[in-house]
Amino acid sequence: GENVEQHPSTLSVQEGDSAVIKCTYSDSASNYFPWYKQELGKRPQLIIDIRSNVGEKKDQRIAVTLNKTAKHFSLHITETQPEDSAVYFCAARGTGNQFYFGTGTSLTVIP
Amino acid sequence: EADIYQTPRYLVIGTGKKITLECSQTMGHDKMYWYQQDPGMELHLIHYSYGVNSTEKGDLSSESTVSRIRTEHFPLTLESARPSHTSQYLCASSEYERGEQFFGPGTRLTVL
Repeated sequence: GENVEQHPSTLSVQEGDSAVIKCTYSDSASNYFPWYKQELGKRPQLIIDIRSNVGEKKDQRIAVTLNKTAKHFSLHITETQPEDSAVYFCAARGTGNQFYFGTGTSLTVIP
Repeated sequence: EADIYQTPRYLVIGTGKKITLECSQTMGHDKMYWYQQDPGMELHLIHYSYGVNSTEKGDLSSESTVSRIRTEHFPLTLESARPSHTSQYLCASSEYERGEQFFGPGTRLTVL
């Protein structure tokens, strides 16, 4: 089955700086890669996703890049704000439509 | 408004009790999932369903069972709750083709 690894596990940045979270996957058949933001006590919320036929996608301050050859994808948050502080999860949808999640990155944006 | 609903939101129960966690969705999605998650930690898939009368076990060994008699309803049952079952349980659903997965608000279970 699919194996998704996520790094780093914790990340602290100054407000206004950029944050990058990286994930790798093992199954070359995986074709859909969502990113979720989970605030304390809340449900995971889909913030951006990318499909395997696209290399990059951007939505305001967040962007995701995908390198299918290397089997890795990254989340980029620019001009970080305190409300970006949360746990972020990457995921890969493999064969059988199952989702495999990374172990999460706890992002802290320091005002 | 289309959404995923879970009840109860919080449950404290004694060891040995049978409990059912409810999940329903008005998204019109085919696939539904149950995850177990300790606060801020990774999500572990415990059950999923492709559609009515379809149920599969996930990667996490679990003493729970699920059923899918109606498209919108996917309850999770623990026959005999134990303290090791204390966790948050998240229900999710996705459309088969597009694949976007959405989560319910979760049930926080404490077994004494």
